[in-house]
Amino acid sequence: NAGVTQTPKFQVLKTGQSMTLQCAQDMNHEYMSWYRQDPGMGLRLIHYSVGAGITDQGEVPNGYNVSRSTTEDFPLRLLSAAPSQTSVYFCASSSPTGRYEQYFGPGTRLTVT
Amino acid sequence: SQKIEQNSEALNIQEGKTATLTCNYTNYSPAYLQWYRQDPGRGPVFLLLIRENEKEKRKERLKVTFDTTLKQSLFHITASQPADSATYLCALGETGTASKLTFGTGTRLQVTL
Repeated sequence: NAGVTQTPKFQVLKTGQSMTLQCAQDMNHEYMSWYRQDPGMGLRLIHYSVGAGITDQGEVPNGYNVSRSTTEDFPLRLLSAAPSQTSVYFCASSSPTGRYEQYFGPGTRLTVT
Repeated sequence: SQKIEQNSEALNIQEGKTATLTCNYTNYSPAYLQWYRQDPGRGPVFLLLIRENEKEKRKERLKVTFDTTLKQSLFHITASQPADSATYLCALGETGTASKLTFGTGTRLQVTL
């Protein structure tokens, strides 16, 4: 099992550009989430999904879109990048039963200039 | 507003001692609390879960307590080793929200010889 994979690992964007951060998991988890991590702020939830076709907003959703067409994939789209979106982005998946542990990907470090 | 507090200052301890990390929260009614370990440049890794009706959980050298009256969790690592050096995050989950964790900012632990 590869677990949770994220691409790319690093990305530099100019203000106003758009891009998609990819996330995939091979554990057949129903739940998937996107977080951003900034110094002194901890991990903050952007969007999450409890199953294919179902998404909802987290704490900091503005400027981001998501969709969940399959159980495996949960891409995060930046519509028009802003310097405030410079951050490290983590995707996570979890099962709705048991310990609710979230399995995190390795992260994408995004810089917007 | 909801708030989760962890010591922002690094905790430095000597090898062999017990490390104790604190997680305090306000304006939450968590159904469970989790602890994660995060190494530099990597995603968090799940360590332990404790539910609201549990006082204490243990796993090898790790022990977690959960006091819903004090709104506090303590995370202990006994017989600390340099390999335990990392940032430790607490995360709260509310009933029916296995995909929607709220994280603290984390405490960095440094274990020296």
